[in-house]
Amino acid sequence: QQQVRQSPQSLTVWEGETAILNCSYEDSTFNYFPWYQQFPGEGPALLISIRSVSDKKEDGRFTIFFNKREKKLSLHITDSQPGDSATYFCAASPGGNYKPTFGKGTSLVVHP
Amino acid sequence: EAAVTQSPRSKVAVTGGKVTLSCHQTNNHDYMYWYRQDTGHGLRLIHYSYVADSTEKGDIPDGYKASRPSQENFSLILELASLSQTAVYFCASSDRDWGQDTQYFGPGTRLLVL
Repeated sequence: QQQVRQSPQSLTVWEGETAILNCSYEDSTFNYFPWYQQFPGEGPALLISIRSVSDKKEDGRFTIFFNKREKKLSLHITDSQPGDSATYFCAASPGGNYKPTFGKGTSLVVHP
Repeated sequence: EAAVTQSPRSKVAVTGGKVTLSCHQTNNHDYMYWYRQDTGHGLRLIHYSYVADSTEKGDIPDGYKASRPSQENFSLILELASLSQTAVYFCASSDRDWGQDTQYFGPGTRLLVL
């Protein structure tokens, strides 16, 4: 059972456009949602995260929008740059000593 | 900055052979994790550990063992490697429980089982 779903599987945008990556979850106990960015040949690295008490989190060009009622969140990357080309993982956890759950990732390509 | 290192970075193993992947962190983190990454599956948790000398099963523990001899070191052991265990393996650490803090990942080990 896949508890964290990401869409689309792959996304291509032009430089300067806004990329929108989607994530949904099933477990209502999840309250912490980090997004990880992974470049080829490297391990994932935390990009930005949000807790369920918030509906929006911004960090520069990266913004998470969170809808607790619909159990959905999205990562918006504004003014996309070729250097943003990577795989993005949405993850979720209820906190405490619980195992994290990762989505399958979205591969983003930004064309110059 | 958090530092997690893995060795080897790549390995070719034969079916039925024993494989040990090692992970070392220098951040004084209590929590360590082993994941495997396969195309189309994202990251899947194999084993994790809260404290030295103790390990817990993750979502896909079958065919794997883990060992945490010290706070800094966490190993993943494949006693009888199989073709299906060809994947990239990532180790990660975090300061407290995962839901409360950032996970820091190592660079990965690419394992090919022939």
